[in-house]
Amino acid sequence: QVQLQESGPGLVRPSETLSLTCTISGGSISNYYWSWIRQTPGKGLEWIGYIYYRGSTKYNPSLKSRVTISRDTSKNQFSLNLSSVTAADTATYFCAGVGSGDGLEIWGHGTMVTVSS
Amino acid sequence: HSVLTQPPSLSGAPGQAVTISCTGSSANIGAGFDVHWYQQLPGTAPKLLIYGNDNRPSGIPDRFSGSKSGTSASLAITGLQVEDEAVYYCQSSDLSGAVFGGGTKLTVL
Repeated sequence: QVQLQESGPGLVRPSETLSLTCTISGGSISNYYWSWIRQTPGKGLEWIGYIYYRGSTKYNPSLKSRVTISRDTSKNQFSLNLSSVTAADTATYFCAGVGSGDGLEIWGHGTMVTVSS
Repeated sequence: HSVLTQPPSLSGAPGQAVTISCTGSSANIGAGFDVHWYQQLPGTAPKLLIYGNDNRPSGIPDRFSGSKSGTSASLAITGLQVEDEAVYYCQSSDLSGAVFGGGTKLTVL
C-alpha cells in the first residue's frame, strides 16, 4: 500500500522560501504522477501543481511565478518550493498521488506551515 | 472564490438520501474534463470517493455515486449514516490544471 509523508519546517519567515518534501513508501515514484495541494485554515482546497512521470511540471497560474516542484527518483521523493511567502501562504500542505483514473488517489496526512516573523 | 460552485452546506437524517451539486463551466467540466469527489473528515486528509465522474475506488460503498451532465456534476449519497458527516469537494480540470469546488459541509442530523 502506497503511503505519503510530508516533511519540512512548520514555521517560515515572510519573504523566505517554503520547502517541503513528500516521501513515498510502499510504491515507486514512477508509477503515478504527483501533486501538491494546500488548504488554508477553515477554507477549501487549492491545487498548487503537478509533477508528471517524466519530470515535467504544471503549476497553478496564480502561484506559478513562485512555485517549483521537483523530484528525486533515487530517494522516492518529490518536493515543493514556494518562494517569497507571505501570511497568505499559511496553510496545511498536502502531497498527493494521481492514480490511473486521474483522481487524487493517495494523500499524505498534511503538514501545517505558518508564515510569521 | 472557487472555480467550481458547490452549496456550502446540506443536511439529512440517517437513512435519507442527499445530492451535492458541483457547477462548472465550458472551460472545465463542460470541456469534457472528468470530475472527482473527495470526502474530508475533521482533521484528516481528503479521501477519494469518486473518480472519472462515476467510478468508485475499491472499498468505497455503493451508497456513494457520481454523475456528470453538461457543465455540472453531482454526488449522491443514499442511506445516510452518521459517519458520512464531513466536507465533500468536487474537483475537475481546465487547461491550466486542477480546479476544486469550495466544499459542501454535510450534516447528518
